Amino acid sequence: EPEVTQTPSHQVTQMGQEVILRCVPISNHLYFYWYRQILGQKVEFLVSFYNNEISEKSEIFDDQFSVERPDGSNFTLKIRSTKLEDSAMYFCASSESGRGRGEQFFGPGTRLTVL
Amino acid sequence: DQQVKQNSPSLSVQEGRISILNCDYTNSMFDYFLWYKKYPAEGPTFLISISSIKDKNEDGRFTVFLNKSAKHLSLHIVPSQPGDSAVYFCAASAVFMGNQFYFGTGTSLTVIP
Repeated sequence: EPEVTQTPSHQVTQMGQEVILRCVPISNHLYFYWYRQILGQKVEFLVSFYNNEISEKSEIFDDQFSVERPDGSNFTLKIRSTKLEDSAMYFCASSESGRGRGEQFFGPGTRLTVL
Repeated sequence: DQQVKQNSPSLSVQEGRISILNCDYTNSMFDYFLWYKKYPAEGPTFLISISSIKDKNEDGRFTVFLNKSAKHLSLHIVPSQPGDSAVYFCAASAVFMGNQFYFGTGTSLTVIP
């Protein structure tokens, strides 16, 4: 069964450093998402991406964040200068359809720890 | 702004009994609802969904009920099995609000053998 994969599973970084979280969405999906979950809190939407551009982003997704689809398979989330409060699980998701229809398939997540 | 709420952080049920997980929402624009299950160290996995034109959707042991007037949905698991022990998130979306899902905070279900 096709699945969303994410690397690395755990990333530890120093405050102020740049990190890139990687995702390989399901191959025939056209919509891609990043969510995060701070420990003990809800899963929060960060950004959605379609047709090589951001289609929607939340207030969390400020100028420190960027997303890219550098090739036909990878979808990346970059945090330019990490802060302590960026420590969270980051989930990538993809879906066949957008506009809130259909389920989004989630990857296993990357645990980001900022020291 | 907590648009989707799951007021019970945890629930314990005996194996074979019914598990009922509840979810409330505040935004009347939501028209599509989903339940996700999450095991530790894994991403959420889709369980079942319901459109606002329905009030019930059933898939095997899982049934989701939607009460639009009360802005409430619930997930029933019958019979509950130990493998159902996980965190359950409800999520909502609206066709006029883009394609993001709004998640609740989750309910941790423990099914006791």
